[in-house]
Amino acid sequence: GGIITQTPKFLIGQEGQKLTLKCQQNFNHDTMYWYRQDSGKGLRLIYYSITENDLQKGDLSEGYDASREKKSSFSLTVTSAQKNEMAVFLCASRTGTGGDYEQYFGPGTRLTVL
Amino acid sequence: QQKVQQSPESLIVPEGAMTSLNCTFSDSASQYFAWYRQHSGKAPKALMSIFSNGEKEEGRFTIHLNKASLHFSLHIRDSQPSDSALYLCAVSMTNTGYQNFYFGKGTSLTVIP
Repeated sequence: GGIITQTPKFLIGQEGQKLTLKCQQNFNHDTMYWYRQDSGKGLRLIYYSITENDLQKGDLSEGYDASREKKSSFSLTVTSAQKNEMAVFLCASRTGTGGDYEQYFGPGTRLTVL
Repeated sequence: QQKVQQSPESLIVPEGAMTSLNCTFSDSASQYFAWYRQHSGKAPKALMSIFSNGEKEEGRFTIHLNKASLHFSLHIRDSQPSDSALYLCAVSMTNTGYQNFYFGKGTSLTVIP
């Protein structure tokens, strides 16, 4: 088995501030994802990465940057925090091969913007 | 642009009931279909997935796919209070190598003892 760790668990920032969320996985998975979940609703894809140094934009990428410098880690930066993006940010990973497309999720980072 | 919609938005059922959750998608090139369950305050966790038309059963859970109708569903037999959660459907396509997933907004299920 493996685990996905997200830090911090809670992140409080000021409007306009640049904020970074981090994700680590020890599954040795190829693909990693960042999703945003607003108030108990569905997941919207922000960025994903199929290998180290690869970045693919999702439908919600505007206002965010991402970085995948190592296979095991994937970071997300909110470039200028806005009050309407208070949400839970979920990181996920999955293997890239073998027909198993199940995604494994981390516990999330809850973002509050003051 | 893939659109994934779930119905109903919320559902309350008594313990022991059969529960049916629905998911429709817009892109006929979709090839992979999955259900995830998210208990309150927890991470989503995969429940079941299917590629081909038809049914797949695992314990109390059955997934049914009809690609021609752009529809798949999750049926929970003998629903339990521990099944109370947000259920998310997800769809992926071969043209993204199954890397990009589209999720619905979820169905909130409450099972009353």
